Amino acid sequence: DTAVSQTPKYLVTQMGNDKSIKCEQNLGHDTMYWYKQDSKKFLKIMFSYNNKELIINETVPNRFSPKSPDKAHLNLHINSLELGDSAVYFCASSHGRGNTIYFGEGSWLTVV
Amino acid sequence: GENVEQHPSTLSVQEGDSAVIKCTYSDSASNYFPWYKQELGKRPQLIIDIRSNVGEKKDQRIAVTLNKTAKHFSLHITETQPEDSAVYFCAAPRGDFNKFYFGSGTKLNVKP
Repeated sequence: DTAVSQTPKYLVTQMGNDKSIKCEQNLGHDTMYWYKQDSKKFLKIMFSYNNKELIINETVPNRFSPKSPDKAHLNLHINSLELGDSAVYFCASSHGRGNTIYFGEGSWLTVV
Repeated sequence: GENVEQHPSTLSVQEGDSAVIKCTYSDSASNYFPWYKQELGKRPQLIIDIRSNVGEKKDQRIAVTLNKTAKHFSLHITETQPEDSAVYFCAAPRGDFNKFYFGSGTKLNVKP
């Protein structure tokens, strides 16, 4: 059983397109995240949701719009993709505050 | 991560030697400090963590030490093996919610 699963794993798309990445966790966690890992391997938090409510939005362009239909799902929609959006996007989840974060397998986004 | 400083950025050791990676955090309210290992093309995975009520924790060849006064914590790997080669990340929470910031990563290379 995959605890945190995200799709697609690989995504190659042209500049200006709109794309979505989906994430689901079956751990019963109440907090979910999106992290971006760039080519230099920096892991940067983008968004955090707790029980479907947005908690953290870390100076991310408004082309990025997360959506949490329920506490087991957190999707990421990106409008008007730019070359600089190329990165690995990791979904993650945790149970409450100050507890272990579990990562999904990552979605490799390449914008050409 | 601007709130968590991690050093060194790269570390090369001979198989069997020890490796030490250090992190410094800024928020004195931080109370949980995980370490993650990320192999090439894979997700970050938790290898060990420590809470602020203890100063050291060991799990076989890996250990973490915490100095709350100085606000730094370290990962120690003894008897390193080639399979320990990976990027290691420290993390610390900030704020009053589950907002984790990651260090910039240490690429460990264990030479056979």
